[in-house]
Amino acid sequence: GIQVEQSPPDLILQEGANSTLRCNFSDSVNNLQWFHQNPWGQLINLFYIPSGTKQNGRLSATTVATERYSLLYISSSQTTDSGVYFCAVLSNSGNTPLVFGKGTRLSVIA
Amino acid sequence: DTEVTQTPKHLVMGMTNKKSLKCEQHMGHRAMYWYKQKAKKPPELMFVYSYEKLSINESVPSRFSPECPNSSLLNLHLHALQPEDSALYLCASSQARGTPLHFGNGTRLTVT
Repeated sequence: GIQVEQSPPDLILQEGANSTLRCNFSDSVNNLQWFHQNPWGQLINLFYIPSGTKQNGRLSATTVATERYSLLYISSSQTTDSGVYFCAVLSNSGNTPLVFGKGTRLSVIA
Repeated sequence: DTEVTQTPKHLVMGMTNKKSLKCEQHMGHRAMYWYKQKAKKPPELMFVYSYEKLSINESVPSRFSPECPNSSLLNLHLHALQPEDSALYLCASSQARGTPLHFGNGTRLTVT
């Protein structure tokens, strides 16, 4: 099945700093989503981005489908950005489920 | 995402108990999902319902029994669980397979 790798696994930022999270995947996809899981376990849908670039406030994402990676940019980070960021993909091939990467655990400190 | 509602938020049950987790969405979505998430791990798919029919069962033990009474509701019936089944159980829905998933806030289950 499709493999999803996220990097870095852990990240500590000073409040106000910028960061880039990466998601590599091993096959062509027709669905890619970025999620933020807050410390209370809530999974928030950030972007649905199988290709192209999208922006939402301080967050933006870019997926280069032909090169099989996606990037999530966080600018001017805040303590409320802390949590785990997951990339999840749905392969083009077959009746496969959405596959999650292992996540990037972000801690933003004041 | 709060358009998918899960109840209860927390559940503690013994190994001989029978309980049910409930999930409801009113977005007109036709695909619904159960995921299980252990601490410090990504969510793992358990079941997928598409148009109220079970389309994927990821080799889940029979002590977990899903049910989709209608297009808005998804239940997960629990019986004779083990302590290792303690986890966060997440429900999600999507317009169809391949479209964005929307998750509920989860039920944190503890089996004693």
